[in-house]
Amino acid sequence: DGGITQSPKYLFRKEGQNVTLSCEQNLNHDAMYWYRQDPGQGLRLIYYSQIVNDFQKGDIAEGYSVSREKKESFPLTVTSAQKNPTAFYLCASSIDLRELNTEAFFGQGTRLTVV
Amino acid sequence: GDSVTQMEGPVTLSEEAFLTINCTYTATGYPSLFWYVQYPGEGLQLLLKATKADDKGSNKGFEATYRKETTSFHLEKGSVQVSDSAVYFCALRTGRRALTFGSGTRLQVQP
Repeated sequence: DGGITQSPKYLFRKEGQNVTLSCEQNLNHDAMYWYRQDPGQGLRLIYYSQIVNDFQKGDIAEGYSVSREKKESFPLTVTSAQKNPTAFYLCASSIDLRELNTEAFFGQGTRLTVV
Repeated sequence: GDSVTQMEGPVTLSEEAFLTINCTYTATGYPSLFWYVQYPGEGLQLLLKATKADDKGSNKGFEATYRKETTSFHLEKGSVQVSDSAVYFCALRTGRRALTFGSGTRLQVQP
């Protein structure tokens, strides 16, 4: 079945450590996204990528980094510079940003807790 | 910039009641509009969408009509079930941009 796989589902890290969240898709989509979800605040865009080896900052990119070396993969690193990293992180993909009116498909999310 | 405003929750209804969740938007350009649903501990699933004025999106008994004159995309369902309990997100997309989401509305349906 085609879809988006995020791993792990739950992740615990000590403060000051970097951590990388995995996102893989087999939908053959060009565009991929990372969102952060906090209670009562909806989803906020961290980074997005239109194509391999290209990515753009979203609204809250500070303290995060990404790479897009393969079409299928878009890992997110939460660095020690992120001041409040505990959140639910959602990865998504869509066919192509140039395709107007298309929706995004989401993974099941990773809940990161920093202690 | 683009923004989406949703009614605050939680919305608590009895089974078989009528549901309305309000959504209004501000956008540069001509957006496409979406409703997503999130069940506890899961990602978001597309519920319905509309891409031009007066379009009606529908799915699983839910409906929403793209109203350009009032910049709204209210979600409705004639008879809710306990299984509809979830968080509902209104979202928009303009041009080659990523989706912009509202803050979400939690729906609780009691038997």
